[in-house]
Amino acid sequence: QSVLTQPPSASGTPGQRVTISCSGSRSNIGSNNVYWYQQLPGTAPKLLIYRTNQRPSGVPDRFSGSKSGTSASLAISGLRSEDEADYYCAAWGDSLSGNWVFGGGTKLTVL
Amino acid sequence: EVQLVESGGGLVKPGGSLRLSCAASGFTFSNAWMSWVRQAPGKGLEWVGRIRSKTDGGTTDYAAPVKGRFTISRDDSKNTMSLQMNSLKTEDTAVYYCTTDLINWGQGTLVTVSS
Repeated sequence: QSVLTQPPSASGTPGQRVTISCSGSRSNIGSNNVYWYQQLPGTAPKLLIYRTNQRPSGVPDRFSGSKSGTSASLAISGLRSEDEADYYCAAWGDSLSGNWVFGGGTKLTVL
Repeated sequence: EVQLVESGGGLVKPGGSLRLSCAASGFTFSNAWMSWVRQAPGKGLEWVGRIRSKTDGGTTDYAAPVKGRFTISRDDSKNTMSLQMNSLKTEDTAVYYCTTDLINWGQGTLVTVSS
């Protein structure tokens, strides 16, 4: 049972916009930044979004992050076949300990 | 370019020990907070623990399932971080990733705990 809650699956067609949600609590998402990762099959996770809505260099601007209260979202616009992957959200569990907590992951299928 | 290379994974019996290493390059290792994250086969990501930089105290934090069994250390002179795993359980079977506190990730090393 993951601390952060994500839908297990999501899907969309090429060109579509898809959002993946991540629900937490006041102590984690409500008080701290959110991070998003993309994991292609058989590879290590890759940072997509840091500090809730910042993109590392090299990540296309089709990917965007946002947060409202105790929930966060990852939006992918102009969906492409290569976006088919697992997506994970993460945040500090609480500001005191700084332990990281993850969502259970969302498998994105491009139809 | 940041590079993190894990080593030391393998097959170990329940109750046994294993030591993982992470060799870092491409950034100022001594200033970095470092974390281990693991992923059981077919499962999601799980944070294992963290070590802060020496300037921030060099202290460690651990996830509840590994506290008291796992120890993270660092050698800033060699740009390496280690994960000493004792009293291993079958549920510790996973790919273990070295990360710069979840920003940059290594390719991972597989640890299998089985009799």
